[in-house]
Amino acid sequence: GPKVLQIPSHQIIDMGQMVTLNCDPVSNHLYFYWYKQILGQQMEFLVNFYNGKVMEKSKLFKDQFSVERPDGSYFTLKIQPTALEDSAVYFCASSPGQSSYEQYFGPGTRLTVL
Amino acid sequence: QQQVRQSPQSLTVWEGETAILNCSYEDSTFDYFPWYWQFPRESPALLIAIRPVSNKKEDGRFTIFFNKREKKLSLHITDSQPGDSATYFCAASAASGSWQLIFGSGTQLTVMP
Repeated sequence: GPKVLQIPSHQIIDMGQMVTLNCDPVSNHLYFYWYKQILGQQMEFLVNFYNGKVMEKSKLFKDQFSVERPDGSYFTLKIQPTALEDSAVYFCASSPGQSSYEQYFGPGTRLTVL
Repeated sequence: QQQVRQSPQSLTVWEGETAILNCSYEDSTFDYFPWYWQFPRESPALLIAIRPVSNKKEDGRFTIFFNKREKKLSLHITDSQPGDSATYFCAASAASGSWQLIFGSGTQLTVMP
């Protein structure tokens, strides 16, 4: 089936540093999402993005977070500066759009903030 | 307050038995309910989904039963196989107004051979 790719699979950084998580969504999809999963807990919605704009964001999407997809390349989540509580697995997802609600998930990036 | 709740947290059944995974929700505007399954170190993948126009959705050995009045749904896996062992997430979305999925905390299913 359609695949969402995420790079890197693991990232370890020091608190206060900047990190960029990359997502390669399914090629003809129009909506993009980031979810956060802390170990042992459920996935929680962070943000969705369509047509170059943030459409919705949750209270977990702090001011230090930003998303973009410049020129149809990777859909990125940038955290600057990082905090200890940002340690989690971040899942990217994409969906075709109004014809289908199905969201396809990537394998996740495990972020560890020291 | 959790908007989507799942039970049990973990479930063990024998091969060939029916596994029943439960889910309930708070928000009556939710109108799309997908179930995702996730194997260790893999992406969550859509298994089956239902919209409230139906009270049942079947796909092979997997069936969703939906009770709109009680805001409950359940996933039944008949003739369970060891390969069904995974974590199952119930999710919900008010798809007409929002694209975000609200996930439950998952049920870890183990099917013993």
